[in-house]
Formats: sequence, C-alpha cells, structure tokens
Amino acid sequence: AQRVTQPEKLLSVFKGAPVELKCNYSYSGSPELFWYVQYSRQRLQLLLRHISRESIKGFTADLNKGETSFHLKKPFAQEEDSAMYYCALSGLVTSGSRLTFGEGTQLTVNP
Amino acid sequence: KAGVTQTPRYLIKTRGQQVTLSCSPISGHRSVSWYQQTPGQGLQFLFEYFSETQRNKGNFPGRFSGRQFSNSRSEMNVSTLELGDSALYLCASSFGLAGEKETQYFGPGTRLLVL
Repeated sequence: AQRVTQPEKLLSVFKGAPVELKCNYSYSGSPELFWYVQYSRQRLQLLLRHISRESIKGFTADLNKGETSFHLKKPFAQEEDSAMYYCALSGLVTSGSRLTFGEGTQLTVNP
Repeated sequence: KAGVTQTPRYLIKTRGQQVTLSCSPISGHRSVSWYQQTPGQGLQFLFEYFSETQRNKGNFPGRFSGRQFSNSRSEMNVSTLELGDSALYLCASSFGLAGEKETQYFGPGTRLLVL
C-alpha cells in the first residue's frame, strides 16, 4: 500500500523566513513524488516533481529514500506563497497511475 | 492550450438522487482520473480511464461509476446519493503512456452538495 503523510496541517512563517513543508511516504517500490499547490480559488496545479530536479518559484524538494521523505523547501518565503500544499506519490498500477495525496499543509506567509 | 474543464461547477441534489459529472481533458490526453476531495478524508482516488476502459479503481462503493468516450471525455456517475457524498470532485488528465511518471493536470472541480 502507498501512503503519504504531511505532519503539519498549518504552517505560518514571516516573509523572508525559510520555510520547510514536510512529507513522508511509504511505498514498497520506487515512487514518483510530486508537490501540488492550490492557491485560493484556483485549481490544483503541479509545483514540482522530483524526477525533474527543477526549482520552481524558488522551491526545491529532495527525495531521501533512506528517510522516505520529500520535504519542500524555500529559503525566503513570499506572501504570494500562501496556499495549500499537497505532497503526492504516484505508484505504478497495472500500467496506469494513481496519485496518493497527503492531507495537505496550509502555508501562511505573514508580512 | 486549453486546460481540463469540468461541468457543472456546482450541483445541489437530495439524498437518493443520482448525479452525472463531466470532464473534458486537455487535447491529446487519453487518461482521465477522478478524485474526491473532502475536509475529513482529503483527496482520494476514485478511478482512472484510458482509451474508454477503466484501468484503475480506488476503494469506493459501486454507486460510483464512470465511463470514457472515444474523444477521451469522461463522465462520472453517483447513484443513490448519500449526505457523505458531498464533496469537491476533481478530474485530472494526462497522456496516459508513462505510468507512474505521468504528470496529471487538474480541472477546477465540481462541488456537489447533497441535502
């Protein structure tokens, strides 16, 4: 079974402070990990995926297979980063895919 | 190119009724997945369709069903609605050929309220 845990439901930081959103997973195979973001009144959208090794809007995430974690980090938070963040795992299922989401972390960046 | 679209955006139904939701994927995408989002359970996978065939299924009762048409558009049906079916139903599309490496693109959702 695949499972994703985001231990913090709410996270509040000040503008310019570093931010880290935690994500832990359990999966027996080799997973693909994603971070999705949902801004207020907008649709769920992909922020980044580990296979791309990109930095999007200053966010990065490193897959740590030993600790089964995929934490999202940004060195200097901005007010526009306030949103709901979901960590998701995709495991191969009969040639298709299904995303398993964590419970989400509501990030608030205060001025 | 146009994103994933879902209709209707809002629905109000009463217990016992049935409902059909529609999803149009991004042009060229052949896989459509459905998710249920509730405050208590979060985002949960319902099922995935690819080339008009259900390829994956989550742990939902048989009251939840779907189908996909030859143009990749998909519909989801919920019969005998219960109060607990009140949720935001999200549709996501992808090319459907890269397995777990696929990026799924989400629609705005249909908000269903069951009274």
